[in-house]
Amino acid sequence: SQQGEEDPQALSIQEGENATMNCSYKTSINNLQWYRQNSGRGLVHLILIRSNEREKHSGRLRVTLDTSKKSSSLLITASRAADTASYFCATDGRDSSYKLIFGSGTRLLVRP
Amino acid sequence: NAGVTQTPKFQVLKTGQSMTLQCAQDMNHNSMYWYRQDPGMGLRLIYYSASEGTTDKGEVPNGYNVSRLNKREFSLRLESAAPSQTSVYFCASRPGGMANEKLFFGSGTQLSVL
Repeated sequence: SQQGEEDPQALSIQEGENATMNCSYKTSINNLQWYRQNSGRGLVHLILIRSNEREKHSGRLRVTLDTSKKSSSLLITASRAADTASYFCATDGRDSSYKLIFGSGTRLLVRP
Repeated sequence: NAGVTQTPKFQVLKTGQSMTLQCAQDMNHNSMYWYRQDPGMGLRLIYYSASEGTTDKGEVPNGYNVSRLNKREFSLRLESAAPSQTSVYFCASRPGGMANEKLFFGSGTQLSVL
């Protein structure tokens, strides 16, 4: 079974609005990462948050981590049509940091 | 800057045929991974190689074998393809396999098994 589950599965917003995606995971982690996938392409790393961090920013991205709830959120502010993609969270389990396990993803559509 | 290169990009097989998906990285990374992506399922880890000479099973290893040929190359073999193996396959690598490292992905191989 997959470690992470994203919510919602799909999200449609207007350009300029903020987009929030959530990720829940099952076991203790070292880090949590977010990736983006444009249609038909490989995944691209966006941001990493360590288990001892609560919030991290990178440009228009804001990631939060709540280890007590085993959840994370990705906020994209002032969205653009070019942000249309699928977004995945991924976790390294504390039992094996070599394995990076992905969630099922959120498909984001930003309407112009 | 090639990064992670996968071949072929597309492949159609008949049930029972065998084939090998090739992956090579030019970033001197120690760890390499094979994932499959099915619609609505996200990515699932098939096999990984923490370093040259080692391989380990991931979430869905059945029906697959891997070879870490050298530090650069990590191949995935389907001995007897089944329709359930129709998927998009991604190879990825990262420097040391440590928890704080990001993955670098190839562009994928779209495989259809008829």
